[in-house]
Amino acid sequence: QQQVKQSPQSLIVQKGGISIINCAYENTAFDYFPWYQQFPGKGPALLIAIRPDVSEKKEGRFTISFNKSAKQFSLHIMDSQPGDSATYFCAASIGQAGTALIFGKGTTLSVSS
Amino acid sequence: NAGVTQTPKFRILKIGQSMTLQCTQDMNHNYMYWYRQDPGMGLKLIYYSVGAGITDKGEVPNGYNVSRSTTEDFPLRLELAAPSQTSVYFCASSPNRGGGNTIYFGEGSWLTVV
Repeated sequence: QQQVKQSPQSLIVQKGGISIINCAYENTAFDYFPWYQQFPGKGPALLIAIRPDVSEKKEGRFTISFNKSAKQFSLHIMDSQPGDSATYFCAASIGQAGTALIFGKGTTLSVSS
Repeated sequence: NAGVTQTPKFRILKIGQSMTLQCTQDMNHNYMYWYRQDPGMGLKLIYYSVGAGITDKGEVPNGYNVSRSTTEDFPLRLELAAPSQTSVYFCASSPNRGGGNTIYFGEGSWLTVV
């Protein structure tokens, strides 16, 4: 119940295309769903996050779609650019001290020019 | 603006050796974490701390120990290193509760046990 399942494991998208990464969870107590972006040799960095009381959040070219009934959320990257090539992790937390974040296994995105 | 600083960046250990990964943050965050990242496996929580003097186990604590004597520092100790501890280790911090607050990660420490 503590797992966050992420797919696909890897993704190749052409420049200008839409990248879509999906995550699913079981624990309905999760109340915070961030996405982290990690470049090679660096630590993960927060990209965008959503709470379950909204169905969508957009920041620039990045959008989180959230489906509470299906227990799924996804990251959409519009107009994907080569600079977006990185590993993306979805995560979830219950919001209490100590549980920190439960991470998905990651998706490696390559945007070809 | 340093953020979360980890040392060393790279280390090779022999089986059975011990070492400490250092972590310090200059953001005055109460919460600190240690994660390990293995290829294709995401990040797994090893230990966390909610403040100086308080630590607790995460998902994969076996073979590790931590201490938190100050707000700034959260070292991770590996005792009797094993090949299964070959991984990338990330220290992180957050201002308050992990959930809902941005967790800031260091740049990682690459550890190989041979």
